[in-house]
Amino acid sequence: GDSVTQMEGPVTLSEEAFLTINCTYTATGYPSLFWYVQYPGEGLQLLLKATKADDKGSNKGFEATYRKETTSFHLEKGSVQVSDSAVYFCALNIQGAQKLVFGQGTRLTINP
Amino acid sequence: DAGVTQSPTHLIKTRGQQVTLRCSPKSGHDTVSWYQQALGQGPQFIFQYYEEEERQRGNFPDRFSGHQFPNYSSELNVNALLLGDSALYLCASSWVGERIRFGQGTRLTVV
Repeated sequence: GDSVTQMEGPVTLSEEAFLTINCTYTATGYPSLFWYVQYPGEGLQLLLKATKADDKGSNKGFEATYRKETTSFHLEKGSVQVSDSAVYFCALNIQGAQKLVFGQGTRLTINP
Repeated sequence: DAGVTQSPTHLIKTRGQQVTLRCSPKSGHDTVSWYQQALGQGPQFIFQYYEEEERQRGNFPDRFSGHQFPNYSSELNVNALLLGDSALYLCASSWVGERIRFGQGTRLTVV
């Protein structure tokens, strides 16, 4: 079945460091790919998305590129801030299904 | 415009009891999905309702049931609660062509 695998956390970085969180997927169809963020005590917020191969999603300095050949959608940010501390989830959605399959999440902590 | 609203925000139940969680979708959204997020895990899809019918279901036992009302709001019912049912329950609403929106969740603790 469809699945998403994220790099194990937690990840701890210093402010202004470069961030990469790896995500790979397995899907039978042609999925859309997403990154969601969850701040403490809150629900899920969409961070960025890509709907087809080679698309790049971007938002708030975060970027991820849909790589069909490697079935990956790695999240990157050039310079992280303390306010980026949260749990990040990679997810896929088979087009039309309106149902998300999530990875296990990666907890990110940024120290000043 | 209100987004997805869930009630209650927190709930404590005893093993064996039954619980009902409620969700009001974002205005204009006709599809409601429920997810279970255990501590330290990613959300897992429970089921989805559209036009008052269960359209898709994840790998959850029959103790988990739901309902969708004509105004698109939804309920999640869990019978015979187990300690392992303790989790954050997320409601998501959607409409074809629009992105999926999540509520803040209901934190269920089973003791």
